Amino acid sequence: AQSVAQPEDQVNVAEGNPLTVKCTYSVSGNPYLFWYVQYPNRGLQFLLKYITGDNLVKGSYGFEAEFNKSQTSFHLKKPSALVSDSALYFCAVRDNSGNTPLVFGKGTRLSVIA
Amino acid sequence: GAVVSQHPSRVICKSGTSVKIECRSLDFQATTMFWYRQFPKQSLMLMATSNEGSKATYEQGVEKDKFLINHASLTLSTLTVTSAHPEDSSFYICSARVGLKNTEAFFGQGTRLTVV
Repeated sequence: AQSVAQPEDQVNVAEGNPLTVKCTYSVSGNPYLFWYVQYPNRGLQFLLKYITGDNLVKGSYGFEAEFNKSQTSFHLKKPSALVSDSALYFCAVRDNSGNTPLVFGKGTRLSVIA
Repeated sequence: GAVVSQHPSRVICKSGTSVKIECRSLDFQATTMFWYRQFPKQSLMLMATSNEGSKATYEQGVEKDKFLINHASLTLSTLTVTSAHPEDSSFYICSARVGLKNTEAFFGQGTRLTVV
């Protein structure tokens, strides 16, 4: 069975500081990993994905994530946070066998303080 | 990226009535769509997988007779909440994927259902 853990319910960071939102996963086989962002009463917006290749993945709005196979992690990072980055972030995983749905973590609320 | 349109964005209905939510892929054909439910401050929980032209596959614990899913075409899937009760109040989100393998899923805007 696939699962995703986001150990932090809330992350607070000052504007301009680097941010990290943590994610670890469990999947049989090779993982496909994703980060999505959700604003209030809105659907999810895709940020980035890891399928194969370079472990460091760059995505939308200056976000990046590093795939670490040995630690089964896929932490989301940004070098300099903006107030507008404040939102709910979801990590998701699926295996690479066919048309399987995404399994989501519980989400981490990011608050960037001016 | 691909666009998924979900309608309505908000709906309030009386207890006992039925509500239909539409999910459309606007610029691609989606052989498979997924329906999720999200409770406040919680993650998305998969309800069912909707395949065009066939019966939906429901997750354990999801009542198929209560949450009717129809995927009649490659661009439209509908979720009907039948005989709605206040506990059905939630945020419902659909998603569709382009292709089968290594692509991301695209999500609708979500529907906030309130049953009074």
